[in-house]
Amino acid sequence: QVQLRESGPRLVRPSETLSLICTVSGGSFSTYYWGWVRQPPGKGLEWIGCIYYTGSTNYNPSLKSRVTISLDTSKNQFSLKLNSVTAADTAFYYCVNTVKDPFGYEIWGQGPLVTVS
Amino acid sequence: QSVLTQPPSASGTPGQTVTISCSGTSSNIGSNNIYWYQQLPGTAPKLLIYRNNQRPSGVPDRFSGSKSGTSASLAISGLRSDDEADYYCASWDISLSGHYVFGTGTRVTVL
Repeated sequence: QVQLRESGPRLVRPSETLSLICTVSGGSFSTYYWGWVRQPPGKGLEWIGCIYYTGSTNYNPSLKSRVTISLDTSKNQFSLKLNSVTAADTAFYYCVNTVKDPFGYEIWGQGPLVTVS
Repeated sequence: QSVLTQPPSASGTPGQTVTISCSGTSSNIGSNNIYWYQQLPGTAPKLLIYRNNQRPSGVPDRFSGSKSGTSASLAISGLRSDDEADYYCASWDISLSGHYVFGTGTRVTVL
């Protein structure tokens, strides 16, 4: 069973880059999509983007200019970089994985709160 | 900027059936499958329904999904107190090079 664990700074200063790494255990990278979803405290879910195991990416159009998602299969990790952050980027950030279906996010990380301040 | 619209709240008494609607467009629900997620308080979301009406292993058959045109719905039958949670629909949207969209979310309360 695949497990995901996010790591990275929990506090980021405005205008800087938010960087998170998701470490994958118990599975192979050749299973559909790996992605990131965020949720501001008390608000709804927002899809950030995803990467296929081949390296192709799709991003939320509203974040596309600031987001980069990449894979490092040698380390069993994929990462998120969001630049020029503001307080509006404060949120719980979840890394996610699809298993049976390319668009059903069946596996979720714990979702740490990253604060921009 | 959710493009899938859900009612903000729904409620029912134990044992009742609650239905949540999700309204989209021809570029998302009208073209692709619908997915449903359950988020219990303080936890990560959980995939409840995939491909419109399929349940991952471990999800009780009290949860059922359907889709028609550009709308979808999730029904929870035999409502239980531990069904109290936020529910989100989601779909792939083929516009703007393709992206995933979540619904606005529905808070289900068990009275």
